[in-house]
Amino acid sequence: ETGVTQTPRHLVMGMTNKKSLKCEQHLGHNAMYWYKQSAKKPLELMFVYSLEERVENNSVPSRFSPECPNSSHLFLHLHTLQPEDSALYLCASSQDYRQANQPQHFGDGTRLSIL
Amino acid sequence: AQSVAQPEDQVNVAEGNPLTVKCTYSVSGNPYLFWYVQYPNRGLQFLLKYITGDNLVKGSYGFEAEFNKSQTSFHLKKPSALVSDSALYFCAVVDTDKLIFGTGTRLQVFP
Repeated sequence: ETGVTQTPRHLVMGMTNKKSLKCEQHLGHNAMYWYKQSAKKPLELMFVYSLEERVENNSVPSRFSPECPNSSHLFLHLHTLQPEDSALYLCASSQDYRQANQPQHFGDGTRLSIL
Repeated sequence: AQSVAQPEDQVNVAEGNPLTVKCTYSVSGNPYLFWYVQYPNRGLQFLLKYITGDNLVKGSYGFEAEFNKSQTSFHLKKPSALVSDSALYFCAVVDTDKLIFGTGTRLQVFP
């Protein structure tokens, strides 16, 4: 599925670096999401945006900073990360975050490794 | 809070045999339930959902799931497994506006 595109696919960074993850959706959806996927753990919802407005922030450390400049693009800015932040970061979109019966569409993720 | 449990970390099945991946839920009210599949190095793909109506839900790639209210279960099934079905499967339930995922079950189909 190419409806949601994430770049880069892989990222290795040191703890003092600053980097950004990018997500773009071509589905005309109004809601976008960031999830963290770690081995043997359920997906963790990090942020939700609806029409560029943040509607959910699940107690995520401030070293993760989201940005949604328009309804098609979502960024996750990373700064001073910790080794436990190594994970697969997934972006998703849906038609409307309040329509819970509609499925979310996921990108292929960015595999992040913190040295 | 709503939650789902996937009691099996891994399920092994021979190609051509039927498969079942288990999911139980804990919700108040009527649940919205989903199954997603994750192939290696890919994101999650939607398979099927139960919102209301018929307890047997049909989805993509020949998969189906049976909603059982008395047993609070939503097991994923397929009559004849393929090697290409080998992947990680996630059950999820809606809690207010959020999807709550299970820990995932790895399905391994052997030739």
